[in-house]
Amino acid sequence: EAQVTQNPRYLITVTGKKLTVTCSQNMNHEYMSWYRQDPGLGLRQIYYSMNVEVTDKGDVPEGYKVSRKEKRNFPLILESPSPNQTSLYFCASSSQGAYEQYFGPGTRLTVT
Amino acid sequence: GENVEQHPSTLSVQEGDSAVIKCTYSDSASNYFPWYKQELGKRPQLIIDIRSNVGEKKDQRIAVTLNKTAKHFSLHITETQPEDSAVYFCAAGNAGKSTFGDGTTLTVKP
Repeated sequence: EAQVTQNPRYLITVTGKKLTVTCSQNMNHEYMSWYRQDPGLGLRQIYYSMNVEVTDKGDVPEGYKVSRKEKRNFPLILESPSPNQTSLYFCASSSQGAYEQYFGPGTRLTVT
Repeated sequence: GENVEQHPSTLSVQEGDSAVIKCTYSDSASNYFPWYKQELGKRPQLIIDIRSNVGEKKDQRIAVTLNKTAKHFSLHITETQPEDSAVYFCAAGNAGKSTFGDGTTLTVKP
């Protein structure tokens, strides 16, 4: 089954404790992105990647890191989480030609 | 960077009526304009999209129109049904980069 998976689905952590949210796709897509969704603000792109070792900032990259060492994986790293990073996070992937994004199930992160 | 504005933020219609949601964008380099539907507690899913070289696209009850000169595009849903109730997002961008509108909550009253 073609899909995008994220782990964990739910995470409660404390300020300053490094965390990683994993994202994996099995569709051989070139493009992958991370978004955060906050009430009334829609989805805001954090980082995106157009292929292995190629990443670029989205609209709200501050406080986040990403890496793309393998085509199927695109982890999101919060080196020192803060309460304003409490949000719902979505990973998405798309193919180079089609652009249609397939979203993962989401990760709800709470930073206290 | 790109800026996408979406209106209205909420829309309520009677079942069977039409619904129209409008978006404007700022970056003339954007060439891909998708619309996503997000039901409560679920992930966004693409319902229709259009490229900059096309003015209109239709898929059954859903259509999208694009005016590149004015930098705006619209979603049209005809013969609305209660299951169309959801949050709808427009987006603008190109390869990889994507900026979303803030969403429209559509309620279809039976």
